[in-house]
Amino acid sequence: AQKVTQAQTEISVVEKEDVTLDCVYETRDTTYYLFWYKQPPSGELVFLIRRNSFDEQNEISGRYSWNFQKSTSSFNFTITASQVVDSAVYFCALSEAGNSGYALNFGKGTSLLVTP
Amino acid sequence: DTGVSQDPRHKITKRGQNVTFRCDPISEHNRLYWYRQTLGQGPEFLTYFQNEAQLEKSRLLSDRFSAERPKGSFSTLEIQRTEQGDSAMYLCASSETSNLGLTQYFGPGTRLTVL
Repeated sequence: AQKVTQAQTEISVVEKEDVTLDCVYETRDTTYYLFWYKQPPSGELVFLIRRNSFDEQNEISGRYSWNFQKSTSSFNFTITASQVVDSAVYFCALSEAGNSGYALNFGKGTSLLVTP
Repeated sequence: DTGVSQDPRHKITKRGQNVTFRCDPISEHNRLYWYRQTLGQGPEFLTYFQNEAQLEKSRLLSDRFSAERPKGSFSTLEIQRTEQGDSAMYLCASSETSNLGLTQYFGPGTRLTVL
């Protein structure tokens, strides 16, 4: 069963619009970690953020913000005032304490295209 | 730059040939992971090492695949008798072992094309 679901396959926005990327996860562990990675056209996965299951505090970093809600098993990512350089594939991932040395379970990714 | 490096970046081979990829993790990282990513999908876990010990292998890792990390530093991933279905991006990542260091940092990947 898919542990991480990113229902949005592709999103296209115009520069300066706000955009939210959805992520829903599934786990039975009480201790787990959630991640977002960015994969630009060059292919390298770039780490953006990690949240621990015991810390539901939302986080803001510049134009990026993350909303972690255990009640709905969601970890959504919002880009404010999007820019062309934000165009990339974004992956949400889950790491569980009892799984393969904390190996990452990735969603299928959301491809974001920001046009001028 | 002390990030994760992978070599080669691209590899084109004919079906049936053997290929080997190398990964150099961030120097102080004990854990090293291999993932495979096919077009339009997220990366999938293949195997991981803690120091030189290979602790887990995914069922995706068939008998034709073997990975080593001989001295707990760099790692190699070998695919024997390549098949067209092996065409993918092979990603390496490393992390620390402490709870504070669970974040995995990825290399640029090796893109394999099997003709």
